[in-house]
Amino acid sequence: AQKVTQAQTEISVVEKEDVTLDCVYETRDTTYYLFWYKQPPSGELVFLIRRNSFDEQNEISGRYSWNFQKSTSSFNFTITASQVVDSAVYFCALSEGPRSWGKLQFGAGTQVVVTP
Amino acid sequence: ETGVTQSPTHLIKTRGQQVTLRCSSQSGHNTVSWYQQALGQGPQFIFQYYREEENGRGNFPPRFSGLQFPNYSSELNVNALELDDSALYLCASSATGQETQYFGPGTRLLVL
Repeated sequence: AQKVTQAQTEISVVEKEDVTLDCVYETRDTTYYLFWYKQPPSGELVFLIRRNSFDEQNEISGRYSWNFQKSTSSFNFTITASQVVDSAVYFCALSEGPRSWGKLQFGAGTQVVVTP
Repeated sequence: ETGVTQSPTHLIKTRGQQVTLRCSSQSGHNTVSWYQQALGQGPQFIFQYYREEENGRGNFPPRFSGLQFPNYSSELNVNALELDDSALYLCASSATGQETQYFGPGTRLLVL
């Protein structure tokens, strides 16, 4: 069963628009980690953020922000004032623990296309 | 850049052949994980190596095997290649006690 669901396959926006990527996860563990990675056309996965299950504080890093809600098992990602360089595939991932530390379970990804 | 390197960048093989992919971990990282990413899909965990031992394996057959060396670099070997093995193979390194994995640029394998 899919543990991480990214329901949006592709999102197209015009530069400077905001875009929110949804991520819903499923786990029975009380301790787990959630991640977001960016994959530009070059293919390399770029780490963006890690959140542990005990830290529900939302985080902002420049134009990026993350909303973690355990009550709805969601970890959504918003890009504010999007730029063409934000065009990439974004993956949400789950690491359940402690026996499965290091085994990242990825969603199917959301393709973000930002046009000028 | 993460400091994780992989070689080769691209590879073409025919069905039934064997392939070896290589990964050098980031300095200070002692754990290496391998993932397979088919076109249009998210990466799938193959296995992880820690202190030269396999430390967890995903749902992949035994013809996928690996090694980790004393310098923490790693190899992924795939025997009896099948067409469905065509994918981007990603290596990631991490340090003990740190859950974040840092990925290399990947090796694109095409099996004909």
